[in-house]
Amino acid sequence: AQKITQTQPGMFVQEKEAVTLDCTYDTSDQSYGLFWYKQPSSGEMIFLIYQGSYDEQNATEGRYSLNFQKARKSANLVISASQLGDSAMYFCAMREAGGYQKVTFGTGTKLQVIP
Amino acid sequence: DSGVTQTPKHLITATGQRVTLRCSPRSGDLSVYWYQQSLDQGLQFLIQYYNGEERAKGNILERFSAQQFPDLHSELNLSSLELGDSALYFCASSVSGISYGYTFGSGTRLTVV
Repeated sequence: AQKITQTQPGMFVQEKEAVTLDCTYDTSDQSYGLFWYKQPSSGEMIFLIYQGSYDEQNATEGRYSLNFQKARKSANLVISASQLGDSAMYFCAMREAGGYQKVTFGTGTKLQVIP
Repeated sequence: DSGVTQTPKHLITATGQRVTLRCSPRSGDLSVYWYQQSLDQGLQFLIQYYNGEERAKGNILERFSAQQFPDLHSELNLSSLELGDSALYFCASSVSGISYGYTFGSGTRLTVV
């Protein structure tokens, strides 16, 4: 079974609007970390935001926030006030405490911001 | 600059050839990971090293091999290259701990012609 599921292969959002990118995960660990990365067309992978499994508050970094619902095992990324530069591929990822702590990535969501 | 250095940035080579991709991790990071990303695809995990030792293997072909040296830099060797090996190859490094994600290098874009 996939550990990280991103069900939206592609999404469009109007400039200045907010958008939510979905991510669900599967783990039996109590301790884990959740991450979002952005990959623009230039190819580099950029870390956006982190949420720990024990964090009670949703993480925020500027226009990015992570809507963490532990019971539902979801970690959706919310981008507020979308900008043209937000057009990119977005990957959700999880790092579990067990094993060798390898990070597992989702398949990604391609976001296009429309002017 | 993320602190993870990958060379070369671009590589064009012919089928059947062998290439070596190099990665220097961020200072202090003992773990190195290699990923392959084909066009418009997700990240395929290849292999993980920790302080010189292989820790985990993913979907790495037998034609591919890797190692991590005492100075912690890592090399990914790709041999008998095929057209389908054309991809973006990422190296990432990390410290241990679930609070830490990966720091990625800028990638090596390999084109096999």
